[in-house]
Amino acid sequence: DAGVIQSPRHEVTEMGQEVTLRCKPISGHNSLFWYRQTMMRGLELLIYFNNNVPIDDSGMPEDRFSAKMPNASFSTLKIQPSEPRDSAVYFCASRVRLGGGNQPQHFGDGTRLSIL
Amino acid sequence: QKEVEQNSGPLSVPEGAIASLNCTYSDRGSQSFFWYRQYSGKSPELIMFIYSNGDKEDGRFTAQLNKASQYVSLLIRDSQPSDSATYLCAVNPQGAQKLVFGQGTRLTINP
Repeated sequence: DAGVIQSPRHEVTEMGQEVTLRCKPISGHNSLFWYRQTMMRGLELLIYFNNNVPIDDSGMPEDRFSAKMPNASFSTLKIQPSEPRDSAVYFCASRVRLGGGNQPQHFGDGTRLSIL
Repeated sequence: QKEVEQNSGPLSVPEGAIASLNCTYSDRGSQSFFWYRQYSGKSPELIMFIYSNGDKEDGRFTAQLNKASQYVSLLIRDSQPSDSATYLCAVNPQGAQKLVFGQGTRLTINP
């Protein structure tokens, strides 16, 4: 079975450019999570969706970050304009939501983002 | 106090020994607990999850949960060099659907 698919795997761009990260969750999973991982701050939750609806975006660092989930099989995380401090590995994860919050999350391979 | 705390390590264990990884959490009402393994440059991979007090075993791995002490641990028996990785503890706080991750413990198994 296909896991969570993220693209691109690597992105290098200049400060000020728009960056779009993409995620396809595991088929049948109805919750999707975007994380950012850095050495200093570890793994941080940015935003998550249930049934394509954003539930908690309190981890989104600032208005430069936005996320959408237009359908059950696709989500984007956009940074505009990008800054060097946005450099990190961005992970997407998905899980089946069955009533409560107990089901494990499964991670994609991540996008390694470098802003010059 | 951080929501989920782990000793960052590095924890060095000889091959064949038992590796013990520990995690404490602050939300007493937390319901679900997960251990992820992350190799350098790779994504977190689910190893174990536990919901009830006590022990849960899966092969060489045992997760232990003590809700009264707000403590969860992961034991790795017969440690192998391939177990060398960072181990992330994640907790599902009460009433929340998200996971809160610890900083991770870097484990090195020495041949």
